Amino acid sequence: KQEVTQIPAALSVPEGENLVLNCSFTDSAIYNLQWFRQDPGKGLTSLLLIQSSQREQTSGRLNASLDKSSGRSTLYIAASQPGDSATYLCAVRGPGNQFYFGTGTSLTVIP
Amino acid sequence: DGGITQSPKYLFRKEGQNVTLSCEQNLNHDAMYWYRQDPGQGLRLIYYSQIVNDFQKGDIAEGYSVSREKKESFPLTVTSAQKNPTAFYLCASSTSDPRGYGYTFGSGTRLTVV
Repeated sequence: KQEVTQIPAALSVPEGENLVLNCSFTDSAIYNLQWFRQDPGKGLTSLLLIQSSQREQTSGRLNASLDKSSGRSTLYIAASQPGDSATYLCAVRGPGNQFYFGTGTSLTVIP
Repeated sequence: DGGITQSPKYLFRKEGQNVTLSCEQNLNHDAMYWYRQDPGQGLRLIYYSQIVNDFQKGDIAEGYSVSREKKESFPLTVTSAQKNPTAFYLCASSTSDPRGYGYTFGSGTRLTVV
């Protein structure tokens, strides 16, 4: 069974710092990988989707990369802001329409 | 705008009572999913459906039931057999084509047993 791990579980950084969140998965047979943001008590908001044939996707200050062969993805956040404080989750989509989630990284950006 | 609507946002259940959480989507997605999220924990899959009139159990289906009579709707019933139902419930949908966009989530329903 696919296992998805996110490290670190929690991260606290000063405003303006660039940071990297990590996501690793055990089975490289994936269709795509998706990064989400979750604010407390809210649903998940999709940030970026990377298809298995792609290496990276960018949206504003966010850049996500995918190395399928090594089972890794990173989410890079440039010039972090207090509004970026949230939990970030990654999910991989595998055969049989199954999605597998990591447990998330809780990010706090300190003003 | 296309999206997923979950209702109600907050729900209170008495001991021994069944309650139903609503999930409606207008994205024309074939597949729909229910997840449970407990504080400090990840998402756990309860049920999913890839087509109308068909659904499969996820990792924690005991004490829950679903139906999929319409493509747009995937209601979840939390039965009295679910011993610890207090949690945050999330509904999601996706295209059946794995090359499609991926998951879209609703805003969630917080269920509390009183």
